[in-house]
Amino acid sequence: QLQLQESGPGLVKPSETLSLTCVVSGDSFSGSHYLWGWLRQPPGKGLEWIGSMFYGGSAYYNPSLKSRVTISVDTSKNQFSLNLNSMTAADTAVYYCARYDSSNSGGWLDPWGQGTLVTVSS
Amino acid sequence: DIQMTQSPSSVSAPVGDRVTITCRASQDIKYFLAWYQQKPGKAPKLLIHVASSLQSGVPSRFSGSGSGTDFTLTISSLQPEDSATYYCQQGNSFPLTFGGGTKVEIK
Repeated sequence: QLQLQESGPGLVKPSETLSLTCVVSGDSFSGSHYLWGWLRQPPGKGLEWIGSMFYGGSAYYNPSLKSRVTISVDTSKNQFSLNLNSMTAADTAVYYCARYDSSNSGGWLDPWGQGTLVTVSS
Repeated sequence: DIQMTQSPSSVSAPVGDRVTITCRASQDIKYFLAWYQQKPGKAPKLLIHVASSLQSGVPSRFSGSGSGTDFTLTISSLQPEDSATYYCQQGNSFPLTFGGGTKVEIK
């Protein structure tokens, strides 16, 4: 059964870069219709998609964050990563990694990691 | 971006009741609509994809319907474990977008 697990710092200073990693276990990155990506949820608020990437390299980002985001995939380690620069208090959120299934030319997110809380504070 | 509007924002109903949540897209998303259940402190869990396909392992009291711009999630007989927040998500185009959520409480 496919499982995803996020890891990274729980506290980031303003203006710094957040780096998170998601380790994939129980399956590989193969599958041309899968994208691997990140979402976030500020405390008490709704869900926001950050971006997703095919293992082959094509990536899609939320325009609201595109200038600050990079997602990368490391197939040799069965993991993918998020870099979000110029962090501010508004970026405080629980960050989730998730697989996006686009097998019907439009898709859904499953499974999700358990989430990791990132707080931006000096 | 495609805007997703959910209603109601919250609902309270007794065990056994039928509960309906609606989701409206700002443009035609065909049937590319998913529903998620999120309990406090947990990651969202996929319930339904492509508008009406029940995810494996999800109880049959959950059902989805709709196409185009109007979609519905129905819980046919509300159970105590269904207390959660429910989100819709469009998968027609990037950026992926979500509804604001519907909090379901047991009366």
